[in-house]
Amino acid sequence: EDKVVQSPLSLVVHEGDTVTLNCSYEVTNFRSLLWYKQEKKAPTFLFMLTSSGIEKKSGRLSSILDKKELSSILNITATQTGDSAIYLCAAHGGSQGNLIFGKGTKLSVKP
Amino acid sequence: NAGVTQTPKFRILKIGQSMTLQCAQDMNHNYMYWYRQDPGMGLKLIYYSVGAGITDKGEVPNGYNVSRSTTEDFPLRLELAAPSQTSVYFCASSYPRTGGSTEAFFGQGTRLTVV
Repeated sequence: EDKVVQSPLSLVVHEGDTVTLNCSYEVTNFRSLLWYKQEKKAPTFLFMLTSSGIEKKSGRLSSILDKKELSSILNITATQTGDSAIYLCAAHGGSQGNLIFGKGTKLSVKP
Repeated sequence: NAGVTQTPKFRILKIGQSMTLQCAQDMNHNYMYWYRQDPGMGLKLIYYSVGAGITDKGEVPNGYNVSRSTTEDFPLRLELAAPSQTSVYFCASSYPRTGGSTEAFFGQGTRLTVV
């Protein structure tokens, strides 16, 4: 059965801290790994990773894929209260090319 | 640039009632998905479609039905609403280019309460 597991499920940090969110996957016909940020409404796209070892970066956020370990991490440096959200990881694959989501990591950044 | 449009945004149903959640996308995407998200939880796949006329069950299909008569529309039908179907429902679409994949675009969600 295809699955995506995220850890931790929740995390509380203070502004300025650096956090690392983890995502592991077991997905047949794996194509790509995607990260989304969800605040109050719909998830918004952050990164798509297809190649191992190549870091993608956007401001204070960065992510990398390790196909050997079947995992990905999302780093956020110098966290701000606006980073508080649920971060969702999804693997694109499966027998029909689905998006399989993890349960998400709820990040709370305290002032 | 509309993207993925879901209607309604909110709905309260009584137990046993039926309703259809509408989803339309204008990006000519082949793949469309329906997810539900319970409080504090991730997204669970209800049904998905890889193209017009093709639908398949996801992780939690019981109590729902879908159809995909056109590329643009992917309605989700609840026939006999139950309290366990109280959730936020998201529709999404994506277009898997040959040899790669693209991100999914999400609608704004439908908050459904069954009482």
